[in-house]
Amino acid sequence: DAKTTQPTSMDCAEGRAANLPCNHSTISGNEYVYWYRQIHSQGPQYIIHGLKNNETNEMASLIITEDRKSSTLILPHATLRDTAVYYCIVRVLGGGFYGGSQGNLIFGKGTKLSVKP
Amino acid sequence: DVKVTQSSRYLVKRTGEKVFLECVQDMDHENMFWYRQDPGLGLRLIYFSYDVKMKEKGDIPEGYSVSREKKERFSLILESASTNQTSMYLCASIRDGLDGEQYFGPGTRLTVT
Repeated sequence: DAKTTQPTSMDCAEGRAANLPCNHSTISGNEYVYWYRQIHSQGPQYIIHGLKNNETNEMASLIITEDRKSSTLILPHATLRDTAVYYCIVRVLGGGFYGGSQGNLIFGKGTKLSVKP
Repeated sequence: DVKVTQSSRYLVKRTGEKVFLECVQDMDHENMFWYRQDPGLGLRLIYFSYDVKMKEKGDIPEGYSVSREKKERFSLILESASTNQTSMYLCASIRDGLDGEQYFGPGTRLTVT
């Protein structure tokens, strides 16, 4: 899987949009961009994923640049409960296995987002 | 609502004890994973399974074994617990062939004294 780089930490005011950047300059054509978050002492939670088009769901929006070398996760109206570590991950299509642990998610250090009142 | 459950949230064991960590998913997923998470090291894959009775080593299998007798259940076994196995253990599952999300359990924080 390609490596990703994210800022170590970010602050956001409650009710404002949180924009979390991620660089993945060595991403391959068949790799998706995934975002997970982990609230303290809980298991990681899936947020959203995409290949090259922008995606939106009830939790967030994902903006992927045209060259796919970077992306931004947007939480449109951050709340205190959004305080967590956010992980940007790239991985190949498919959850199955093709001679290796391709279903494995390689988590980096993520961005610690602090939403403040 | 999809669910991955783990048998314990917190566990304290003594060095040398045999430890069983159980994970159950109710989504009929083919693939299941065991990770451990340590500060500064992120998540590291211990073992995974892509079918009943099938298992593959991950990045750090030493000191661990696994069992998958039923599709919904994936157990992690520490044959003889050691203090360096003190960690947060996370189980996850994903449906085969899809590019979708991997579902995680709440984690088990294991302390070996």
